[in-house]
Amino acid sequence: AQKITQTQPGMFVQEKEAVTLDCTYDTSDQSYGLFWYKQPSSGEMIFLIYQGSYDEQNATEGRYSLNFQKARKSANLVISASQLGDSAMYFCAMREGRPGNTPLVFGKGTRLSVIA
Amino acid sequence: ETGVTQTPRHLVMGMTNKKSLKCEQHLGHNAMYWYKQSAKKPLELMFVYNFKEQTENNSVPSRFSPECPNSSHLFLHLHTLQPEDSALYLCASSQVKGASTRANVLTFGAGSRLTVL
Repeated sequence: AQKITQTQPGMFVQEKEAVTLDCTYDTSDQSYGLFWYKQPSSGEMIFLIYQGSYDEQNATEGRYSLNFQKARKSANLVISASQLGDSAMYFCAMREGRPGNTPLVFGKGTRLSVIA
Repeated sequence: ETGVTQTPRHLVMGMTNKKSLKCEQHLGHNAMYWYKQSAKKPLELMFVYNFKEQTENNSVPSRFSPECPNSSHLFLHLHTLQPEDSALYLCASSQVKGASTRANVLTFGAGSRLTVL
């Protein structure tokens, strides 16, 4: 079974609008971490935002926020005020167990295209 | 610049060649990783090194041979590869130990795009 599921292969959004990228995860661990990465066409994976399983508040980093719904096992990324430079692949990832124990497992990604 | 440098950025090799990918991190991290990214597939973890010791080998064929001489350098030696090994190979590093909730935030290099003819 897939640990990380991203159901949207591609998304389009108008510049300056908000967009939500979906991510659901599967784990039986109580302690885990959820990550979002951005990969522009240059290939480099850029860390965006992190949410710990015990964090009570949704994580925010500038225009990025993570809509964490623990009971539904979802960790959607919300990008507000989209910019043309946001066009890229976006990957959701999970670390199972306590910090430092295990590497990240990634989803297949969502390609976001921002339209002027 | 993320602090993780990969060379070469592009590599074309024949199936009988021997080549190596290099990764260097300047972040003081103690763990390094190789991931493989093929088209339309999730990133696949290949190898993990913690404090220079290999802690994970994710059923990778022996034609891929990692080497970690110190915590700042990681190599992936390639020999007798197959065309299906063509992919983007991403190196990453992280600070494994510590109570920080940011532990295991991977910092990636830009990748080495490999084409096997």
